[in-house]
Formats: sequence, structure tokens, C-alpha cells
Amino acid sequence: DSGVTQTPKHLITATGQRVTLRCSPRSGDLSVYWYQQSLDQGLQFLIQYYNGEERAKGNILERFSAQQFPDLHSELNLSSLELGDSALYFCASSVRLLANTGELFFGEGSRLTVL
Amino acid sequence: GQQLNQSPQSMFIQEGEDVSMNCTSSSIFNTWLWYKQEPGEGPVLLIALYKAGELTSNGRLTAQFGITRKDSFLNISASIPSDVGIYFCAGQNYGGSQGNLIFGKGTKLSVKP
Repeated sequence: DSGVTQTPKHLITATGQRVTLRCSPRSGDLSVYWYQQSLDQGLQFLIQYYNGEERAKGNILERFSAQQFPDLHSELNLSSLELGDSALYFCASSVRLLANTGELFFGEGSRLTVL
Repeated sequence: GQQLNQSPQSMFIQEGEDVSMNCTSSSIFNTWLWYKQEPGEGPVLLIALYKAGELTSNGRLTAQFGITRKDSFLNISASIPSDVGIYFCAGQNYGGSQGNLIFGKGTKLSVKP
């Protein structure tokens, strides 16, 4: 158990809909990262937050947005969903801003299926 | 953006065999890491490498940080069934406020008892 909690574990929805994925980082971790894992693209970095502020952006679509709240939990919002958004979405956390040991602690992921 | 080429994509081996996989990049990294993902779980860090040329072991696992800083390899000796999973290499640079990892596409390892 990494200490990172993600909900829901599974989600099935239709194209055009909007969903919210939630992440609670490890106790004491200030930095939260979101990754998308699909079969053909591996783990793609989406966005990073540190202590409530956005710090880095990767290949995140404009239809996607995220935020980190004062209690440090984070939410990833996916809107106008398309079939290609079906993937496993991981949240990870680290204590420091730069995760300078390279060690991210990953949750078990939220599997999104868009029909 | 930066991309990592990881090979092979998949491996089917017999228990007891040694395994080797590698990762290359068109650009340099300050840190190379190897993660393992088991079914239904998130990736877990196996080995981190911080210096070019560094060779580090973790039990039956050995990884090296290439001298050019553009590659890394992971070896697993005497494989066992619990080695099954997807192995990801990851590179990291420190620049500005970023510390996010760039991951390879993974090597899926299957071990036949």
C-alpha cells in the first residue's frame, strides 16, 4: 500500500460526459502528479501540483483540468469525453516539489471506460 | 518533448533465466529510474541511478546509468514467477520547478514456471 488513495477505481461513462477523479496523497506529501496510462502510449505525464499551485504541465488536453485543494487532495476533471480518453489514470505524490530522489508513490489508478 | 525508447516491448522467459532490458533517449537525463507495475497496482520504484556510469543492485536486480546519460539498462538474474509485471524506465531532469518523470512505454515480462 503506497498510501496514495484514488477514487473511483472503475468508471464507465458515455461520450460527451464529464467525470471527476479524486486523489488523496500520502500523509505529508505536498506534490501531486497525474499520469495517463493507455495501452499504446505508456505512462504520460499530465500535470503536477505543489501545495495547491500548478507547477508543471505535460500532455494534458484542454478538455482536462485539475486542481489541488487546501487539504492537499487533488481532482482531475475530464470533460467532453471521447472514446480515446479510455485509460488508466494514476495519481502519484512526493514530499518535495522536485521529487528529487525520483521516487513517486503511485495510487492504484482509476480505470475510465468511455463507451 | 523528450521520449524514451524502451526495449523489448515484451519478454516470455523460463523461470531461472536472466533478463535484460534497456532504455534510450535522444536527450540526456540527470536521473534514471526503473519502476515495476504489477497487475492492478500502480508503479513502484525498484532502482534509482544518479550518476553517469553508476551501477546499482537491488537483490537480483542490477541497473546502470549510461556514461552518455542517454541510456540505462536493467538486468534481472535467475527470474522467478513473482518477477512478472511491466517494467518501466523513467528519466528525470531538474529544471525550474519541474521534477516530473518521463516514462518509457514499458517491458512486459512473463515468466513460465
